[in-house]
Amino acid sequence: GEDVEQSLFLSVREGDSSVINCTYTDSSSTYLYWYKQEPGAGLQLLTYIFSNMDMKQDQRLTVLLNKKDKHLSLRIADTQTGDSAIYFCAESPQTGANNLFFGTGTRLTVIP
Amino acid sequence: DVKVTQSSRYLVKRTGEKVFLECVQDMDHENMFWYRQDPGLGLRLIYFSYDVKMKEKGDIPEGYSVSREKKERFSLILESASTNQTSMYLCASSFSQNNSPLHFGNGTRLTVT
Repeated sequence: GEDVEQSLFLSVREGDSSVINCTYTDSSSTYLYWYKQEPGAGLQLLTYIFSNMDMKQDQRLTVLLNKKDKHLSLRIADTQTGDSAIYFCAESPQTGANNLFFGTGTRLTVIP
Repeated sequence: DVKVTQSSRYLVKRTGEKVFLECVQDMDHENMFWYRQDPGLGLRLIYFSYDVKMKEKGDIPEGYSVSREKKERFSLILESASTNQTSMYLCASSFSQNNSPLHFGNGTRLTVT
């Protein structure tokens, strides 16, 4: 089945850039997503990228997709303490009723 | 704005009890999902539904059942709660079009003692 992997923890200093990485196995994935989970809350869609794109930028967020290596990354510029959260990578298989396959989540801690 | 509402934020139940977790969405979404979230394991799909009265097993359906009598409501049922079902449960919904994003509720943290 599909496998989505992320490292569990990342710490950065406030003002630095954060890069959260994700690898996936399903080469037929059509969309790849980044979700953010703040403490005590559900998951909030941050951004997504279609599989025929290499990069997508949205304000402080940059998503890079290397389809050959099945590697996805999320870069957060000028990281703020409010960015501290768990970030989930998810892939959407080509078929199926829209269920997503999620990674384990990366807990980002921003140090003031 | 899409709203997915889970009826309880925290629940404490005893082993062997029957437990109902309720989820309601207000965006007329066709698809609804139940996930559980455990540290180091991410989100795992329990069941999903793509229409009223329809249900499909996800990756970990054992010990759970679901009910979708109305489009806006999707219930997760633990027939006989066990301690290994202590977890955070997340409900989500989406339109039926391929790759429509999922919208999540705030979660129900269930503790089974």
